[in-house]
Amino acid sequence: QKEVEQNSGPLSVPEGAIASLNCTYSDRGSQSFFWYRQYSGKSPELIMFIYSNGDKEDGRFTAQLNKASQYVSLLIRDSQPSDSATYLCAVTNDYKLSFGAGTTVTVRA
Amino acid sequence: EAGVAQSPRYKIIEKRQSVAFWCNPISGHATLYWYQQILGQGPKLLIQFQNNGVVDDSQLPKDRFSAERLKGVDSTLKIQPAKLEDSAVYLCASSPSGSGRPNNEQFFGPGTRLTVL
Repeated sequence: QKEVEQNSGPLSVPEGAIASLNCTYSDRGSQSFFWYRQYSGKSPELIMFIYSNGDKEDGRFTAQLNKASQYVSLLIRDSQPSDSATYLCAVTNDYKLSFGAGTTVTVRA
Repeated sequence: EAGVAQSPRYKIIEKRQSVAFWCNPISGHATLYWYQQILGQGPKLLIQFQNNGVVDDSQLPKDRFSAERLKGVDSTLKIQPAKLEDSAVYLCASSPSGSGRPNNEQFFGPGTRLTVL
């Protein structure tokens, strides 16, 4: 079982719609959860982190965490073409950050 | 604030050759990471340094890969000899947080794209 699994893509959404990305993790001791965005040919950049159960909102992005279900998600509201990228879920236990394979999102204009 | 610097940006070598990558982290960041990202996959941690000490190198193929961080600042990652399966992007990241901190946000450099022929 992979440490971090993300829903397989690619995910195609029309401009203005909500993009929903899911991630599950295997280590119950995981403490912090991150969403990175990676444009093609570029390095990952952090867009959200969450470490308490519930929702965390930042602009058009909302991260949701459910530790009992070992599940974390990212919602992108009012999707824009500039949101087209691969989104990486990352989970940390103490110091080690483990990444999922990523979900590629394409926003259609 | 300057970001994480890496060089070279691209490298093409033949199998069995050696190659070295360099990384300079953000000033003041104690923790430095090297990741390997194969096309279509997420980054995989190769080695983590806290200052100039190794925190985790459990996924570093030590028969061919080596890394050092002298003086706790910049770092080099070496592959010798290279194999075809080493073709990947090698990412360096740094973090202001030390081991055990929950919100160890990592800042990534632009990466080095290695092609092994």
